[in-house]
Amino acid sequence: LAKTTQPISMDSYEGQEVNITCSHNNIATNDYITWYQQFPSQGPRFIIQGYKTKVTNEVASLFIPADRKSSTLSLPRVSLSDTAVYYCLVGDIRGQFYFGTGTSLTVIP
Amino acid sequence: NAGVTQTPKFQVLKTGQSMTLQCAQDMNHEYMSWYRQDPGMGLRLIHYSVGAGITDQGEVPNGYNVSRSTTEDFPLRLLSAAPSQTSVYFCASRRTGLGYGYTFGSGTRLTVV
Repeated sequence: LAKTTQPISMDSYEGQEVNITCSHNNIATNDYITWYQQFPSQGPRFIIQGYKTKVTNEVASLFIPADRKSSTLSLPRVSLSDTAVYYCLVGDIRGQFYFGTGTSLTVIP
Repeated sequence: NAGVTQTPKFQVLKTGQSMTLQCAQDMNHEYMSWYRQDPGMGLRLIHYSVGAGITDQGEVPNGYNVSRSTTEDFPLRLLSAAPSQTSVYFCASRRTGLGYGYTFGSGTRLTVV
């Protein structure tokens, strides 16, 4: 079971690009990397998933280096509504994903 | 589509009582899971299912039972409620394959007194 390590909290000004890095040194060959966003009193919301290199969707980009021991979630031009907790998960998509403690992002006007 | 529906939204139990948290999804997802989230903490996996008739334990299964008789439903049973089970419970479902994350329900806030 690959353990993930993320910063506990981050602050960013509105309009800036935010990069949240996750460390997963013991990631297995079959493991994928998934990021979720959670607002207070709501269930987490899926953001993006990847295996290697770069994945981009309409919300974010996910950068994964060749050794896959870390990953970086990139949020372009954040707004106040992006204030939330962001979770990095690592696991086999045929199995289960386990949540860590997440990164609390605060966007400042 | 309704997505993932959890009932009830709030519940207060006395220590020793039993109850069932309901979870239903209408997306024909194979995978379903139950998580609990304590204040200021991340989510912890209780039980999960990879399809009808198949369930398995997660990180914190003690005190909880599950069954998956249909693809749509995945109820969580608290056998004998304890104050340590006070938490917010989330049910989630996803389809198999790359790029598909979990869809979460809105949660059940449970207080055991």
